[in-house]
Amino acid sequence: SAVISQKPSRDICQRGTSLTIQCQVDSQVTMMFWYRQQPGQSLTLIATANQGSEATYESGFVIDKFPISRPNLTFSTLTVSNMSPEDSSIYLCSVGGTRNTEAFFGQGTRLTVV
Amino acid sequence: DAKTTQPNSMESNEEEPVHLPCNHSTISGTDYIHWYRQLPSQGPEYVIHGLTSNVNNRMASLAIAEDRKSSTLILHRATLRDAAVYYCILRPQARGTGKLIFGQGTTLQVKP
Repeated sequence: SAVISQKPSRDICQRGTSLTIQCQVDSQVTMMFWYRQQPGQSLTLIATANQGSEATYESGFVIDKFPISRPNLTFSTLTVSNMSPEDSSIYLCSVGGTRNTEAFFGQGTRLTVV
Repeated sequence: DAKTTQPNSMESNEEEPVHLPCNHSTISGTDYIHWYRQLPSQGPEYVIHGLTSNVNNRMASLAIAEDRKSSTLILHRATLRDAAVYYCILRPQARGTGKLIFGQGTTLQVKP
């Protein structure tokens, strides 16, 4: 199993500013995943963060807007840059497991941009 | 990625069984079928998964059709705490695919 801690749990930010979300895992993992959940919607994968390499972004997400760091095998950060109200969402960190094992999620960071 | 189709919402009475269906007609032979649920204000949590045979754990049972084109998550006795969004997700064999692709899921309401 894996325990994931995310910080902050919630924040209210001014438009045009940036917020960095931290994700800490209690064990070493190869891949970490970042998801966005817009209000009333399902989860959408933003990017996959591998230690020692550039993150891989899904269609519709770019590094300039969502830069990701992965300095070691237990930690990652996601920055939401130049925020607008449309960025108001829950951002979740996950470690994926394999096709025959379970994935684990953090509790999420609820971001409100005003 | 193979797609799953679930009803948008379902209702159940407390302490009654609940059968949550999922269609995945384009599933490949090596895709595992996973179920996750998301309780209000929480991240998703794992429920159960399987490949071909029916599976049971302390939370639920998973019934997989013989042709694997559909599956059903069974909650044997729904409680109020089971009110959540349930996601049926296919996980492929290919390496580097630890990511999960979420559909819209089924919102389960449990009535006291």
